[in-house]
Amino acid sequence: EVQLVQSGAEVKKPGESLKISCKGSGYSFSTYWIGWVRQMPGKGLEWMGIIYPGDSDTRYSPSFQGQVTISADKSVSTAYLQWSTLKASDTAMYYCARPKQWREVNDAFDMWGQGTMVTVSS
Amino acid sequence: DIQMTQSPSTLSASVGDRVTITCRASQSIRSWLAWYQQKPGKAPKLLIYKASSLESGVPSRFSGSGSGTEFTLTISSLQPDDFATYYCQQYNSDPRTFGQGTKVEIK
Repeated sequence: EVQLVQSGAEVKKPGESLKISCKGSGYSFSTYWIGWVRQMPGKGLEWMGIIYPGDSDTRYSPSFQGQVTISADKSVSTAYLQWSTLKASDTAMYYCARPKQWREVNDAFDMWGQGTMVTVSS
Repeated sequence: DIQMTQSPSTLSASVGDRVTITCRASQSIRSWLAWYQQKPGKAPKLLIYKASSLESGVPSRFSGSGSGTEFTLTISSLQPDDFATYYCQQYNSDPRTFGQGTKVEIK
């Protein structure tokens, strides 16, 4: 079965660091881009950025550039989203998602992870 | 950034109604537009890609149209399972922005 499985919910304090993961299975992980999408509580979807695990080519939304780091390890078919210094405003659900076509960055997301809820509170 | 504006923000409708949601882009995105459905506590689900192509497994009552800057999602006969929030997304250029969402509620 083709799927994306994300790491579990996290509760952190402001100032802490965090790395969440998204593991792909059932397909050639290194040949599909993986994107990250934020959804703050009760709000809409925000595109954060996207990475090609084959060569780690990464693109960020200007809104998230410098705030997070997107990476991938193709040897374990896993993409990551990390923060060095969390803020309360990072509290949100984070989804990873894969475009329909291999190697194609200009494509809709037809596969989504189940989401990772990140709560940042003192 | 390309701004995506959906209307309406909320829509009240009854089972069997024909429903239309509009999405406008701040500049041309050709046909690089997707529509997603999201239910509470769930990940979004792709309905339509390339403005008018129906994703495999999605009921034929869903259809999309448009190109350039104006797009529509139509549900021909609203079913109980369709009450959800719908988002458009452009993937013509980075950042690949979403609309703010349209919540379809039971009338």
